[in-house]
Amino acid sequence: DTGVSQDPRHKITKRGQNVTFRCDPISEHNRLYWYRQTLGQGPEFLTYFQNEAQLEKSRLLSDRFSAERPKGSFSTLEIQRTEQGDSAMYLCASSLDSRFSTDTQYFGPGTRLTVL
Amino acid sequence: AQSVTQLDSHVSVSEGTPVLLRCNYSSSYSPSLFWYVQHPNKGLQLLLKYTSAATLVKGINGFEAEFKKSETSFHLTKPSAHMSDAAEYFCVVSPWYSSASKIIFGSGTRLSIRP
Repeated sequence: DTGVSQDPRHKITKRGQNVTFRCDPISEHNRLYWYRQTLGQGPEFLTYFQNEAQLEKSRLLSDRFSAERPKGSFSTLEIQRTEQGDSAMYLCASSLDSRFSTDTQYFGPGTRLTVL
Repeated sequence: AQSVTQLDSHVSVSEGTPVLLRCNYSSSYSPSLFWYVQHPNKGLQLLLKYTSAATLVKGINGFEAEFKKSETSFHLTKPSAHMSDAAEYFCVVSPWYSSASKIIFGSGTRLSIRP
């Protein structure tokens, strides 16, 4: 399977702990996106990379959140000092940059975070 | 500014009957519009997208959507529902220029299929 993969699929943590999620995009895709999805809502944009450069960040991404894509391949999303409000599904997507049309994003299955 | 409104949070139809999922959008620019489907425990999958070519867009699994600029709508339809269509559907608006932070997902429509 050469789709987008995310690890872990589920994470339960206690408030105040740090968590890190990993996303492996489709290999030839140079764009990578992180979204957060809460129950009953659509995904909300968090941040986006073009190769290894983090080009855009949402205001939703507080100082406790950091994302990296060190070699332009996989990406990690870290949440420090987790809060109960961080409980959500964290989605990763990748796309191939096209100058002539809006990219089609391919999504991973998500990581469900529960903060107790 | 952009926004997208999915007019129904839940739609229930009988197997074999038509499906209509409604989406209205607002955009300062000529938008690109998408429909994604999300099955339980699976990633979002692209059904179809409109990018200023033909206004009637055909997607996978028999779905299609029509871009109506005058009505600012992009409703999703399927002539005959199948049990496997039961899922959450999201309408998405994006500016034609690539700006990831401007991609807006609707709140979703849950489609249920009655046997």
